[in-house]
Amino acid sequence: GAVVSQHPSRVICKSGTSVKIECRSLDFQATTMFWYRQFPKQSLMLMATSNEGSKATYEQGVEKDKFLINHASLTLSTLTVTSAHPEDSSFYICSATRGTSGGGANVLTFGAGSRLTVL
Amino acid sequence: GQNIDQPTEMTATEGAIVQINCTYQTSGFNGLFWYQQHAGEAPTFLSYNVLDGLEEKGRFSSFLSRSKGYSYLLLKELQMKDSASYLCAVTDSNYQLIWGAGTKLIIKP
Repeated sequence: GAVVSQHPSRVICKSGTSVKIECRSLDFQATTMFWYRQFPKQSLMLMATSNEGSKATYEQGVEKDKFLINHASLTLSTLTVTSAHPEDSSFYICSATRGTSGGGANVLTFGAGSRLTVL
Repeated sequence: GQNIDQPTEMTATEGAIVQINCTYQTSGFNGLFWYQQHAGEAPTFLSYNVLDGLEEKGRFSSFLSRSKGYSYLLLKELQMKDSASYLCAVTDSNYQLIWGAGTKLIIKP
């Protein structure tokens, strides 16, 4: 089955530093990957859609200069939280789709998530 | 605007059956997903419905009525490990995925 690897699973950093999170599709090519953040006891919030070889599409309210997304290859997308602050502490999750599955569904496969704590 | 409603929390007993409802109002419809998310983990795919009716997959079944903008996830023979949040998500006419807030299911012995 489709596997998405996300690294690191946990990261603690000081305020003002930058943190990079990697998302890899291990056994399929993902032309599109998605980045979400999730605050405790809240639902997933789509941050951006990452397309291989082009600029990411950011959702309204998400600062593209703060959350840098790079989709350099068909199997790798990265999210860099620049100049992180405590309010950026959250659970960041990536997902990818390998395309249609049976009845035409674009089933998402999620990475395990990265819990960011900014001190 | 686009909206997906599902109960915030439900409680059920081990071995019993529980039905989690989801209603949606979206601009167009291209399928409905149910995902399971255990605390602190990423969601995992459970089911997909694009046509009306019931899709059965082991202990889990999902139902869709497009005319009513309604779906439910039915969990049978509940086990303690089924304690999780269940997320309903709809693909709209632009193939954007709209997420519900999730239903936290608590299973008691």
